[in-house]
Amino acid sequence: EAGVVQSPRYKIIEKKQPVAFWCNPISGHNTLYWYLQNLGQGPELLIRYENEEAVDDSQLPKDRFSAERLKGVDSTLKIQPAELGDSAVYLCASSLDLGLANTGELFFGEGSRLTVL
Amino acid sequence: AQTVTQSQPEMSVQEAETVTLSCTYDTSESDYYLFWYKQPPSRQMILVIRQEAYKQQNATENRFSVNFQKAAKSFSLKISDSQLGDAAMYFCAYKGGTYKYIFGTGTRLKVLA
Repeated sequence: EAGVVQSPRYKIIEKKQPVAFWCNPISGHNTLYWYLQNLGQGPELLIRYENEEAVDDSQLPKDRFSAERLKGVDSTLKIQPAELGDSAVYLCASSLDLGLANTGELFFGEGSRLTVL
Repeated sequence: AQTVTQSQPEMSVQEAETVTLSCTYDTSESDYYLFWYKQPPSRQMILVIRQEAYKQQNATENRFSVNFQKAAKSFSLKISDSQLGDAAMYFCAYKGGTYKYIFGTGTRLKVLA
């Protein structure tokens, strides 16, 4: 079974340029997460989807960040324009949430490392 | 709001020895999950072990076990017979009723040959 796939793995851009990250979750997983991980820190939630609905985007800086999960499967996270402080690893994770049967485990991709110059 | 605290930025252990990583958390919820995730360098984060708060018995997974003290809000990870492949960042995480995961800042584990 394929795991969570993210691309690109690495991206270097100039500040003020746009950038997009793509995530394909594990097949059948209804919940998808985008996390931001700064160096030496734990992941911080940016947005959580249940199927195609964004149910928690309170930590997403909406002036420059946007995300979509149009068909409830893969997802794209966009930053426009990028700032120096956006340099970080962007992690995608998925889980299968079945209410009481929810095991709670998150499955992570390898991450997309962004460097803004 | 829930918080997760890992007070050990870095730990070292000799190969084949035992090491314990500490984690404390704060919550007012009664039902929740606690996790330890492992993140090797430049590789994806994977689940090491999970504990349901309603279970009094401590979870174990082969060489990995936890000491869950619900009243003290403590959740430590013990790694026995440490191996070179155990070297990684270890994150303690909390998940409550809102489905939101709260991660600690991580502990970098070094395994010395």
